[in-house]
Amino acid sequence: DAKTTQPNSMESNEEEPVHLPCNHSTISGTDYIHWYRQLPSQGPEYVIHGLTSNVNNRMASLAIAEDRKSSTLILHRATLRDAAVYYCILSGNTGTASKLTFGTGTRLQVTL
Amino acid sequence: DAGVIQSPRHEVTEMGQEVTLRCKPISGHDYLFWYRQTMMRGLELLIYFNNNVPIDDSGMPEDRFSAKMPNASFSTLKIQPSEPRDSAVYFCASSPLPLGKAEQYFGPGTRLTVT
Repeated sequence: DAKTTQPNSMESNEEEPVHLPCNHSTISGTDYIHWYRQLPSQGPEYVIHGLTSNVNNRMASLAIAEDRKSSTLILHRATLRDAAVYYCILSGNTGTASKLTFGTGTRLQVTL
Repeated sequence: DAGVIQSPRHEVTEMGQEVTLRCKPISGHDYLFWYRQTMMRGLELLIYFNNNVPIDDSGMPEDRFSAKMPNASFSTLKIQPSEPRDSAVYFCASSPLPLGKAEQYFGPGTRLTVT
């Protein structure tokens, strides 16, 4: 499985944008890029996913590099409720495409 | 919809006992997943089902672990006999489509403690 690399932790001030980076230099042409987050004492929660084009939804934006070797999750205005571990995950669009392989993620701390 | 439902939320048992974790996926979701999360190993996929059929159980740690899905609305993960190293949070997730086409919805988890 293609691997992802994320910083262990990041800090942000409330109400400011947050850019969470992810490197995936071994990504294949059919791999989707998924982001999930896990709040304390909860199960992981889907945030966003994409293949090649940038994606926006009500929670966040996903910016994908042109060569697809990296991507950035953008939280436009961080709140205290966004403090969580954010996972960047690759999935193949093949017969085993239903698997998610979680890495260690980035722990986001949001302060007042 | 109530989301993915797991029971019990907490389970404390003694080493050697049988443990059964239960999961009810979201109605209409054809894919069901069992994950285990520990501090040391993070979040690991144990097994997943498609239309009640186990597709990939390569993550099941050993023969003490077994999972079944007798129908579309119910799955169990059983550990027999349990050991202290099985202590973890076990998550069940479901999805309507193969990954890449839809997200996975996770349940609240079952925190298992084996003493």
